[in-house]
Amino acid sequence: EVQLVESGEGLVQPGSSMKLSCVASGFTFSNYGMNWIRQAPKKGLEWIALIYYDSSSKYYADSVKGRFTISRDNSKNTLYLEMNSLRSEDTAMYYCAKGGYGGYLDYWGQGVMVTVSS
Amino acid sequence: IQLTQSPSLLSASVGDRVTLSCKGSQNINNYLAWYQQKLGEAPKLLIYKTNSLQTGIPSRFSGSGSGTDYTLTISSLHSEDLATYYCYQYNNGWTFGGGTKLELK
Repeated sequence: EVQLVESGEGLVQPGSSMKLSCVASGFTFSNYGMNWIRQAPKKGLEWIALIYYDSSSKYYADSVKGRFTISRDNSKNTLYLEMNSLRSEDTAMYYCAKGGYGGYLDYWGQGVMVTVSS
Repeated sequence: IQLTQSPSLLSASVGDRVTLSCKGSQNINNYLAWYQQKLGEAPKLLIYKTNSLQTGIPSRFSGSGSGTDYTLTISSLHSEDLATYYCYQYNNGWTFGGGTKLELK
């Protein structure tokens, strides 16, 4: 059974940094691209980052480019999202999701809440 | 590519045939998926590549479309289908539609 478990939830001040983790199990992690998606309170879904299976390519939404960094450690079956210069508009539930063949998102974690507020 | 879902809110009764629409600003080349999100839960994949049913998803869900216009159909609405539905394109970048909230009439 595919499982994705995020951690790193918390409340931080504007301008600060935070790092999220997503531990994967139930599939060969090193064979699949992985994504981060977020959802602001009472809003829709926003794709924010993708990393290829071998970390050879990384892609970001314009809203986070230059501030967020996606990475992975295939030896630990873990995906990361490092978030810098956080803004109030980054307040959201953050989900990690496994990439399906072709680029869709086939399995999602339960999400972690990030709140940016003074 | 921008995705526009319609309607944003749909009221229907159990047993109804329900159709949700997703329109892209450019050709999506069938690289379109549909997700169901119930309140307080993570999204769940229903359909990928326009019309491929994800494992474990009931056959009352189906997808169709081409070019810029895509549709999710629920052939006979069950009470457990009440949720918000999102389309997602992965043809050129990665984009979600704004969602359609499905509620009981």
